Amino acid sequence: QSALTQPPSVSGSPGQSVTISCTGTSSDVDYYNRVSWYQQPPGTAPKLIIYEVSNRPSGVPDRFSGSKSGNTASLTISGLQAEDEADYYCNSYTSSDTWVFGGGTKLTVL
Amino acid sequence: EVQLVESGGGLVQPGGSLRLSCAASGFTFSTTWMHWVRQTPGMGLVWVSHIKSDGTTITYADSVKGRFTISRDNARNTMYLQMNSLRAEDTAVYYCTTDGAYASTYWGQGTLVTVSS
Repeated sequence: QSALTQPPSVSGSPGQSVTISCTGTSSDVDYYNRVSWYQQPPGTAPKLIIYEVSNRPSGVPDRFSGSKSGNTASLTISGLQAEDEADYYCNSYTSSDTWVFGGGTKLTVL
Repeated sequence: EVQLVESGGGLVQPGGSLRLSCAASGFTFSTTWMHWVRQTPGMGLVWVSHIKSDGTTITYADSVKGRFTISRDNARNTMYLQMNSLRAEDTAVYYCTTDGAYASTYWGQGTLVTVSS
């Protein structure tokens, strides 16, 4: 049950786009389309922003999009805004009927 | 409105036990899969355990297998996490979450467990 691999940090200026990668294995990310993404501003509980690779829950802006290629999933935030500054985590269901998170990525809006 | 309220956290000595509770409201608890997820202060999220709606299927992370037990009482709309043989590395904020499409759709505010002598 090794954690999925995410870059520790990314940054971008307001209005720009940023992409956060999430690399797993053939037993998790590549095995199912059951990858989700969470946003966690400082001092708050995480919030689901993407499920099943690319679906957005109601209320999540369409600036947030998800995709997957092989064992790597990606979260793209377009039209970056100051309130997007937060930690972002990916998560995948696995072939062992368990779940695994990525190590998290800190997004800084410059 | 979905509400998840964790309780039962606190300070416990290494080797000790603690039972966390998660009181649920605002949705049909008895048909919802549930998870426990933990977060060490200043660190990332770690999935701990999962229980299906009727409690017949349960899975654990390797790091807690044999020490933690997840359960639920659908009549009380409550999920539990019995934690035994606690270690310093179990120190974390513990969140309960609902499951929807294999994702953690709603999260509680968390309860802090500190394992220290």
